[in-house]
Amino acid sequence: EPEVTQTPSHQVTQMGQEVILRCVPISNHLYFYWYRQILGQKVEFLVSFYNNEISEKSEIFDDQFSVERPDGSNFTLKIRSTKLEDSAMYFCASRRARQGGEKLFFGSGTQLSVL
Amino acid sequence: AQKVTQAQTEISVVEKEDVTLDCVYETRDTTYYLFWYKQPPSGELVFLIRRNSFDEQNEISGRYSWNFQKSTSSFNFTITASQVVDSAVYFCALSDTYNTDKLIFGTGTRLQVFP
Repeated sequence: EPEVTQTPSHQVTQMGQEVILRCVPISNHLYFYWYRQILGQKVEFLVSFYNNEISEKSEIFDDQFSVERPDGSNFTLKIRSTKLEDSAMYFCASRRARQGGEKLFFGSGTQLSVL
Repeated sequence: AQKVTQAQTEISVVEKEDVTLDCVYETRDTTYYLFWYKQPPSGELVFLIRRNSFDEQNEISGRYSWNFQKSTSSFNFTITASQVVDSAVYFCALSDTYNTDKLIFGTGTRLQVFP
């Protein structure tokens, strides 16, 4: 089965530093997402992206966050100035179509630790 | 507002026991989708099933079965003859079809299957 690929699997950074989390969605998918999971808590939606623009974002996704699809394959999440509370597992996801029942494929996540 | 409740935070069983994971949802939409995802210790999110709100037929896939009851807004998941490899966190999630394409996750149920 096709996979969503995320790199790195673990990222450690100092508070205030910028980080970029990378994702390669499934090649024929058009809708891209970032979710995050703080340790031991539920998975939360951050942002959805389609046609090179953000289609929806949550309250968590403030000005410190940005997303980009710099080329035809990568989808990135940038955190400009990391805070301790940004420590979480970040999941990238993609799907072929927007309909609510369309299967969402998740990557294996990037564990971000902010020190 | 949409909400998913998984009241069981942790369940422990011995191998070969049957176990049911509860999921109760809230939505004002008449058309919506429900999902179950598995998160093994390795951290990735593995899709198990999706069900649309018009299809109340129960589904069985091997040792897994799902009981969707619209009258009680529940979408419970049963593992028959549990195995150690079933040990994971299981998330129930909800998506409507019109206003948003994000998934709303429950807080998850950690299942531990002991040999």
